[in-house]
Amino acid sequence: AQTVTQSQPEMSVQEAETVTLSCTYDTSESDYYLFWYKQPPSRQMILVIRQEAYKQQNATENRFSVNFQKAAKSFSLKISDSQLGDAAMYFCAYRPIIQGAQKLVFGQGTRLTINP
Amino acid sequence: NAGVTQTPKFQVLKTGQSMTLQCAQDMNHEYMSWYRQDPGMGLRLIHYSVGAGITDQGEVPNGYNVSRSTTEDFPLRLLSAAPSQTSVYFCASSYQFGTQYFGPGTRLTVL
Repeated sequence: AQTVTQSQPEMSVQEAETVTLSCTYDTSESDYYLFWYKQPPSRQMILVIRQEAYKQQNATENRFSVNFQKAAKSFSLKISDSQLGDAAMYFCAYRPIIQGAQKLVFGQGTRLTINP
Repeated sequence: NAGVTQTPKFQVLKTGQSMTLQCAQDMNHEYMSWYRQDPGMGLRLIHYSVGAGITDQGEVPNGYNVSRSTTEDFPLRLLSAAPSQTSVYFCASSYQFGTQYFGPGTRLTVL
């Protein structure tokens, strides 16, 4: 079974600085998607960034970028120029392409605090 | 375009009661799914549907029932509520290989 592990239950960073959240996953599939979702106190799950495993280029979305290491099964999220609005729970998620397009597997989450 | 909507936002049940959590999407997505989120954990898949009339079980299906009679709606039924079903429930939808979009969630407490 696929698993996703986020080893940092909590992280904090000073406003305007850079922070990296870690995620590792376990799968025997060669083709899949990886995601980072943000969950603010409102509970809404918001997509931050998505990476296709067949793409070697790391995905970026404005201040958010990933470091995707397929061989190491690692998928970290870097947030640059941290803002107060970035404070939230962040979840890493995996979805296989072959078996069950709906089956998102989530990590346990990392709570990110931004210090003003 | 409302996206994914869920009702109710909050619900309190007594043990043994039944209820239906409603989910609707207006994006014409084929895929819909239900997750539960317990404290300190990520979301876990309960049931999902790949189209009208087709449903399947996820990781934690026991105690829940689903059906999908239309593309837009995917209700989740609790047959006989138990305290272990106290959780936050999320509905999500997507195209076949697209990103899943989540509803705002329903906080359910079973006493």
